Amino acid sequence: GAGVSQSPSNKVTEKGKDVELRCDPISGHTALYWYRQSLGQGLEFLIYFQGNSAPDKSGLPSDRFSAERTGGSVSTLTIQRTQQEDSAVYLCASSLVSALVGTQYFGPGTRLLVL
Amino acid sequence: TQLLEQSPQFLSIQEGENLTVYCNSSSVFSSLQWYRQEPGEGPVLLVTVVTGGEVKKLKRLTFQFGDARKDSSLHITAAQPGDTGLYLCAGVVAGSYQLTFGKGTKLSVIP
Repeated sequence: GAGVSQSPSNKVTEKGKDVELRCDPISGHTALYWYRQSLGQGLEFLIYFQGNSAPDKSGLPSDRFSAERTGGSVSTLTIQRTQQEDSAVYLCASSLVSALVGTQYFGPGTRLLVL
Repeated sequence: TQLLEQSPQFLSIQEGENLTVYCNSSSVFSSLQWYRQEPGEGPVLLVTVVTGGEVKKLKRLTFQFGDARKDSSLHITAAQPGDTGLYLCAGVVAGSYQLTFGKGTKLSVIP
């Protein structure tokens, strides 16, 4: 069966450019999460969606980061005016219900390199 | 400050040896999970523990949740090269729904 997919798998961009990262969750999963994994820093929570709404955006590092989810399915994480410190692996996960009771299934991640 | 402290950060052992990885916090968790992540892939859930003092076994892996639900350990018996990977603990702090991860333990098992 199809798992969580993310695209692109790798992205190299120049400082100051905008990037869009896409996540396709497992069909039927209502909860969707974005995390950032930097070298030596572990996974850092960014944002959580329940359906199309984001009850918790507390992890977004700055106003350059935004995310949306449409149709209760696909989500896009946008980083505007990228900086070198944005370089990391961006992971998406989905679960059938919320994190309290549902197992989170992770995608393979998008490796972002900002030059 | 890191909410979940994992130790050791790196571990390199010979095939057949035993090892224990620790996950500690000053916070109480309603549940705690262990994941394994291989290069180029996302983390994969190994186990969830929810009750203080709970012990779960998954083949050669034994997971324990502390009585106070503030810490956990992962013990691997007779490690195999296939156990190589990054082991992450993650917890849901009581009263929230956010999953907080430790920095991970990178395990290398040498044949």
